[in-house]
This record gives sequence, structure tokens and C-alpha cells, in this order.
Amino acid sequence: ETGVTQSPTHLIKTRGQQVTLRCSSQSGHNTVSWYQQALGQGPQFIFQYYREEENGRGNFPPRFSGLQFPNYSSELNVNALELDDSALYLCASSSDRGLGREQYFGPGTRLTVT
Amino acid sequence: GQQVMQIPQYQHVQEGEDFTTYCNSSTTLSNIQWYKQRPGGHPVFLIQLVKSGEVKKQKRLTFQFGEAKKNSSLHITATQTTDVGTYFCAGPPSGTYKYIFGTGTRLKVLA
Repeated sequence: ETGVTQSPTHLIKTRGQQVTLRCSSQSGHNTVSWYQQALGQGPQFIFQYYREEENGRGNFPPRFSGLQFPNYSSELNVNALELDDSALYLCASSSDRGLGREQYFGPGTRLTVT
Repeated sequence: GQQVMQIPQYQHVQEGEDFTTYCNSSTTLSNIQWYKQRPGGHPVFLIQLVKSGEVKKQKRLTFQFGEAKKNSSLHITATQTTDVGTYFCAGPPSGTYKYIFGTGTRLKVLA
């Protein structure tokens, strides 16, 4: 167990709706990264938060947004859901934004968009 | 765009045989990390390599980082059924914090 938790475990939404996913980082970690993993593929970097600020973003549209709170937990918000947003959403925490920090992944949230 | 490819995509081996997966990046990476993901699970950190040409061993697993820091490999000696899963490499292009994951190699071990 990594100590990283995510909620909810599973979620079913309709196209056009909005969703919020939550992540609690491991104790002592101040950096959270979010990834999208489609079935049979590797995780795709969405963005990273370091001490409550976005610290880097992958090739995802602005309807993917996030927050990090003072306790370093984080939220991923997705607006105007599309069918292609169906995937496993993973968050990973690390002890610093610096390079070379191992990432501890949570169990993920399985999102299905119908 | 920046890509990290892994080969092979799938590998079936008999228990006791060796296994190798290769990771190739289109751009120089600051470091390389390896993860294992069991079916239905999440990626679990295995190791990190930072220096050009670095080699690290963990019991039956040997990891290498290429001289140009654009490729890496993972070799498992005498596979066991517990080695089943998908192995991913991941690394940030130099100057960024964005970890790009490879396409993964799915390993099946036949008892």
C-alpha cells in the first residue's frame, strides 16, 4: 500500500456532464501528478501540482483542470465530458517536484462516459 | 511529439526463461523510471536510473540506461509467475517535469 487514496473508485457519467475526482497524497508528499490511462495503454500525463500551483501540463484541453489544497490533496475536474474521456484516472504523489522523485500511485478512479 | 516506445508489446515466456523489454525515447530524458502494473492494478515503482550508462540490479531484475539517455532496458532472469504484469518505463524530457510513459510490455509467464 502506498498511502495514496482516490475517490470514487468507479463513476458513470453522461456525455456533457462534469466530474470531480479526488486524491489524497501520501503523508509528507507535496507534489501530485494526474494521469489518464486508456485501456491497454500507458498513463498519459495530464498535469502536476506542487505546493498548490500547477507545475506542468500535458496535451490535454482546458476542460481538464485541477486544484491542490494546503494539505496537498488534489482534485481533477473535467467539464463537458466526451466519450473518449472514459479511462482510468490515476494520481501519483511524490516528495518533491524535483526530478528523480519516485511516484506513488493511488488505485485510480475508473470513469465511464456514456 | 515526444514519444516513448517499448518493445515487444507482448511477451509470453515459460517459467524459468529470461525476459527483456526495451524502451526507446524520441528525446533525451533526464532520468528513467520503471513501473510494474498488475492486471486491474496501478503502476508500482520499481527503480530509477539517472546517469548515462547506469546499470542497477534488484535480485533477478537488471535495469540499464543508455549512454545517450534515450533508451533503457529491463531484463528479468528466470521468470516466475509472480512477474506477470505490464512493465512501463517513464521519464521526463530534459528540462521538464512531465513524465512520459512508454507503451508498455505485457508479460505472461506460463507455469
